[in-house]
Amino acid sequence: RKEVEQDPGPFNVPEGATVAFNCTYSNSASQSFFWYRQDCRKEPKLLMSVYSSGNEDGRFTAQLNRASQYISLLIRDSKLSDSATYLCVVNGGYNKLIFGAGTRLAVHP
Amino acid sequence: EPEVTQTPSHQVTQMGQEVILRCVPISNHLYFYWYRQILGQKVEFLVSFYNNEISEKSEIFDDQFSVERPDGSNFTLKIRSTKLEDSAMYFCASSALGTGDTQYFGPGTRLTVL
Repeated sequence: RKEVEQDPGPFNVPEGATVAFNCTYSNSASQSFFWYRQDCRKEPKLLMSVYSSGNEDGRFTAQLNRASQYISLLIRDSKLSDSATYLCVVNGGYNKLIFGAGTRLAVHP
Repeated sequence: EPEVTQTPSHQVTQMGQEVILRCVPISNHLYFYWYRQILGQKVEFLVSFYNNEISEKSEIFDDQFSVERPDGSNFTLKIRSTKLEDSAMYFCASSALGTGDTQYFGPGTRLTVL
């Protein structure tokens, strides 16, 4: 089983749509979880950390289910500028980040 | 807003040559990292560095790789004898604290080995 597994995408959605990404991780001892965003040929940028209680930042909502080892990201009211690859990231201990392969989102007018 | 910087943005080298990739982490950060991303693949951890020592390294980080903090601001990754398969984007990252803290990534150095 891959350490971090994501929906492969791509997701092609119209502006204003709601889109959800899922991610599973294999190491039940993992303690920290993140969603990063990566634009083409650019560096990963932190979108949000993910907490057990769930957290929201504007149009973005992240959820963590430790029992199922499952992480989700919900984007509401999609904008053209949301087009990017979304990376599910888990801390693998000793500060090592383990990245998923990413899910590509394309928002069209 | 403070940011991680990396130089050069693109490095082209011949197979077998040594390369040094440079990074300036965010100034008050204590933990430093190198990651790489081969074109079309996922970001992979190479090494973490704290208190002038390697904290952890991946299987990719073999004897051909080394890291150094030569002064108070720079953090370097050296590849001693480059191979074709070393061609990738190399990202430096830093964090203020250790496990669980947010890592901030630099813009990357694209290494092309011919």
